[in-house]
Amino acid sequence: DAGVIQSPRHEVTEMGQEVTLRCKPISGHNSLFWYRQTMMRGLELLIYFNNNVPIDDSGMPEDRFSAKMPNASFSTLKIQPSEPRDSAVYFCASSLASYGYTFGSGTRLTVV
Amino acid sequence: SQQGEEDPQALSIQEGENATMNCSYKTSINNLQWYRQNSGRGLVHLILIRSNEREKHSGRLRVTLDTSKKSSSLLITASRAADTASYFCAMEYGNKLVFGAGTILRVKS
Repeated sequence: DAGVIQSPRHEVTEMGQEVTLRCKPISGHNSLFWYRQTMMRGLELLIYFNNNVPIDDSGMPEDRFSAKMPNASFSTLKIQPSEPRDSAVYFCASSLASYGYTFGSGTRLTVV
Repeated sequence: SQQGEEDPQALSIQEGENATMNCSYKTSINNLQWYRQNSGRGLVHLILIRSNEREKHSGRLRVTLDTSKKSSSLLITASRAADTASYFCAMEYGNKLVFGAGTILRVKS
């Protein structure tokens, strides 16, 4: 298995533009998580899915953020419109029960 | 807040020495996990200890969990320069994993 795959690795966009981050979890994993990492706030859980269903989105900062998981092998995190304060590294992770999470390499987002 | 606290924030040791990092949390957990993050990379799962376990070993890693004190420690023995990284504890509540702020470990050769 290639692990959790995220794309793009880097994204630079202008304020106000829409940004879509993508994630392919490990096959067979039934939970998927989106995290954001910044120096100021550390690692924050944004949203997680169980069996493709959003379970807890209380960490999503505001309505500009949305996430979908249309099937077991794909998820997106969308920011519309993006703002400079959204600049961070966004990680996707997947897991099967309580056996530890596998993280992707992350997407470094810069909003200018 | 369910977020854990780690100490020290940063640790610098010589190669061959042991490194100990501590983590405290506030509410009951299912399990506690430790992760490593090299600069600019994703997080790598190191070890998971369940709430009914007290100690666990994996290679040069030793993790302890004291649920009465709501604390855990990660010991890395005989450290190597390649162990230089940030280490995070993460508490699983239900199906959510909440991370601590991390300890930056530097191993000097």
